[in-house]
Parts: sequence; structure tokens; C-alpha cells
Amino acid sequence: DTAVSQTPKYLVTQMGNDKSIKCEQNLGHDTMYWYKQDSKKFLKIMFSYNNKELIINETVPNRFSPKSPDKAHLNLHINSLELGDSAVYFCASSQVVVGTDTQYFGPGTRLTVL
Amino acid sequence: SQQGEEDPQALSIQEGENATMNCSYKTSINNLQWYRQNSGRGLVHLILIRSNEREKHSGRLRVTLDTSKKSSSLLITASRAADTASYFCATDAKDFGNEKLTFGTGTRLTIIP
Repeated sequence: DTAVSQTPKYLVTQMGNDKSIKCEQNLGHDTMYWYKQDSKKFLKIMFSYNNKELIINETVPNRFSPKSPDKAHLNLHINSLELGDSAVYFCASSQVVVGTDTQYFGPGTRLTVL
Repeated sequence: SQQGEEDPQALSIQEGENATMNCSYKTSINNLQWYRQNSGRGLVHLILIRSNEREKHSGRLRVTLDTSKKSSSLLITASRAADTASYFCATDAKDFGNEKLTFGTGTRLTIIP
């Protein structure tokens, strides 16, 4: 049983295109996250949602727009893709919003912008 | 600058040996967590240590925390080939009242069979 799933696993696209990544968790958690991992493996939080409400919004270009239709889903839409957006994007979830809680990560989506 | 930085960046040891990784951070924390990432996979939680704890064990893992030095170490005893992965420490930090995890730069561990 997959706890946190993401689609697609790989995404190759041209600069300027718009793309979406989907995330679903079946753990019954209230909080979901999007992280970006760059080529040096540095992992940085982008957004956090608690029960469909945005609670953390890091300094991310507004080309990135998260959407949470329900607390089990958190999608990431990216407009006007740029070369620098190439990275691995991870979705994660946790039971509660505080940093003390274990986070469960999805397998990642490797985005390559050409 | 990054909240957490692991040291060393890369470590190769023979199977059966012990592996030690260190993490340093800059601000006060409530908790520190360690995660493992296998190549091409997501992160998996290993262990959480609270700021009032000095040492914690889980199977072959031993984590220490020194809040006066703002550092933590992860020891993996009797290493196995399956331990080959990148290891990250993560600290909690406040973001406008909301806590978030800030990850370190990671240590890439290679176990040589």
C-alpha cells in the first residue's frame, strides 16, 4: 500500500510550458508539504497545507501554485517553466503541523526543463 | 545559510564497520530528526531526538544531541550494504508561528561489501 504517491515520476518539458504534479496520501494526515531538492541534494520546503489551508509559503516564485482540493491531495502547478525549475519535487505529509512530527515522503517527481 | 550541515559530505566504509555522521545547526531547536534517502527514492524517517534528550537508540542506530554545541551525530553500527544511502538531519524552525523542518545538506554513505 502506497502511503504518499506522486504522479508523474518523471516529467520532461520545454521552457515556457505549464505543468502539474499530483500528490495523494492515504495516511489520514492533516498536513501536506511540497519540497524541492536540487542537484546538490539540498531539500527545501516550498509550501505546507493543513486541512486544505495554506500555512507555509516560502519565497517561491508565484509561477508555482499549490492547490489542495481535500486534505488527502496536494497538487503543484507550475506556469512558464524555467531551466532553474529542474529538480526533484517531493510531496510529504504528517499527522500534525508542528516540526516535531514525522513526515512521510512520496517517491518524488524528477522535473527536467529543456 | 543552511540551518543544518552534515559532515562528512561523503563516507565510504567496509561492510560491518560503524559509520558516524555529524550534523551542525545554527538556531535553537525543539527537536532534531534524521532521515535516510535511497537513490531515486523519497526520504524515510529514522529517528527523532528532543532537545532535552542527549542520546537515543533505535536498532543499530544511535543518535546523540549536544544543544550547547548545536550538533548531533548519527552512528550506524555493524553497517550493511543496504545502509548505502544519503542521510539528512532536519531541525524544526518557526515560520511566522508555524513550525517547519529545515534539512541539512546530507551525508552520502557508501557501504562496500
